[in-house]
Amino acid sequence: GESVGLHLPTLSVQEGDNSIINCAYSNSASDYFIWYKQESGKGPQFIIDIRSNMDKRQGQRVTVLLNKTVKHLSLQIAATQPGDSAVYFCAEINSNSGYALNFGKGTSLLVTP
Amino acid sequence: GAVVSQHPSRVICKSGTSVKIECRSLDFQATTMFWYRQFPKQSLMLMATSNEGSKATYEQGVEKDKFLINHASLTLSTLTVTSAHPEDSSFYICSARTSGRAAGEQYFGPGTRLTVT
Repeated sequence: GESVGLHLPTLSVQEGDNSIINCAYSNSASDYFIWYKQESGKGPQFIIDIRSNMDKRQGQRVTVLLNKTVKHLSLQIAATQPGDSAVYFCAEINSNSGYALNFGKGTSLLVTP
Repeated sequence: GAVVSQHPSRVICKSGTSVKIECRSLDFQATTMFWYRQFPKQSLMLMATSNEGSKATYEQGVEKDKFLINHASLTLSTLTVTSAHPEDSSFYICSARTSGRAAGEQYFGPGTRLTVT
């Protein structure tokens, strides 16, 4: 994804609502995608991943959708909780050229009671 | 689970001095370690890829003589910021993986906050 930006988009949701965080990635050769959660002052925490040969994958309260046609990735969080408040990043990997992660811009999720 | 540690977690240094940051894989052998830099309210930017026993591969725009990376063992990589300046103040994060594992099996350290005064 494009990883240059001065401001993080912010998504504000009420506790209990569903959240959808979107990400556009840049490399059509990427074959692996990951969503990370980052709390202030901490390193990224793995949430869920998806291979390029899939279009949907579900985890506990989270679902990742992949649309390769438009190079779009989304993370859906069901029944959002205050503890979900953090910055969320998508990342892409082209495993044929190493395993370094190319991070997207990030979205700040704020869950209000 | 796989744990990656970084030391120090925070460091303040004076302009012109050098600072070393350590990244350790505590319970697995890290054949590859990555170093990222993150400025406030921005994303993580890859600085370099380090394979054990080899010279690091730096991303375009990252000065290899300024950011010295050593990956001398399968559990330790170090990043030394030489002649640090205030613009080097940032959050430095490492990640580690083992060859042969799935692409997503990459584990991040907690980060090191560097402040150069």
